[in-house]
Amino acid sequence: QVTLRESGPALVKPTQTLTLTCSFSGFSLSTNGMCVSWIRQPPGKALEWLARIDWDGDKFYNTSLKTRLIISKVTSKNQVVLTMTNMDPVDTATYYCARIVVASGSYLFDYWGQGALVTVSS
Amino acid sequence: EIVLTQSPGTLSLSPGERATLSCRASQSVSSSYLGWYQQKPGQAPRLLIYGASSRATGIPERFSGSGSGTDFTLTISRLEPEDFAVYYCQQYGTSPPGFTFGQGTKLEIK
Repeated sequence: QVTLRESGPALVKPTQTLTLTCSFSGFSLSTNGMCVSWIRQPPGKALEWLARIDWDGDKFYNTSLKTRLIISKVTSKNQVVLTMTNMDPVDTATYYCARIVVASGSYLFDYWGQGALVTVSS
Repeated sequence: EIVLTQSPGTLSLSPGERATLSCRASQSVSSSYLGWYQQKPGQAPRLLIYGASSRATGIPERFSGSGSGTDFTLTISRLEPEDFAVYYCQQYGTSPPGFTFGQGTKLEIK
């Protein structure tokens, strides 16, 4: 059974750095074709992809946020960590992590965490 | 970066009717890289369609995807009460590598 769970602070101040952890079970990020991504959704708005880390350690970022994001994995702990620097109120959103399976040439976001609401306010 | 534009923004239909949702890309997208997701209030998105036309595991046959190039469609043949939700299309681009989502179509009960 595949599960993912996001954890981190619910409230951060402007200019602070946000650190979110995705803890997962039911799969290994060392398995060929497995990836984990972070996606966010401001209240009432659309989904925005943030970053992805692959089974082989490759990392990819949203080009418009690239300078503020770092994604990393701790394979032994089944965790993926996202840090976002210089937080601003516009970064207030629900942050999701999701498993991606590369299959048949497609990228399937097939399992998602329940999401973590992060509010940026002084 | 490829931009996905979904239409309509809101679709009002009754249970039993057919729903047709559109996703248009600003440039050609490989069909392999086009997916559709359903999101209900307070829930995470759920994968419906990948590779433009392949149903994900457990997705009912009333959901189907089609299209190629810049125009893609999600069709729900006969709406069930549980189908009223927001639907997003998503694409994977290779240059630069990354994903983008459309702005969503809200399917509401008429």
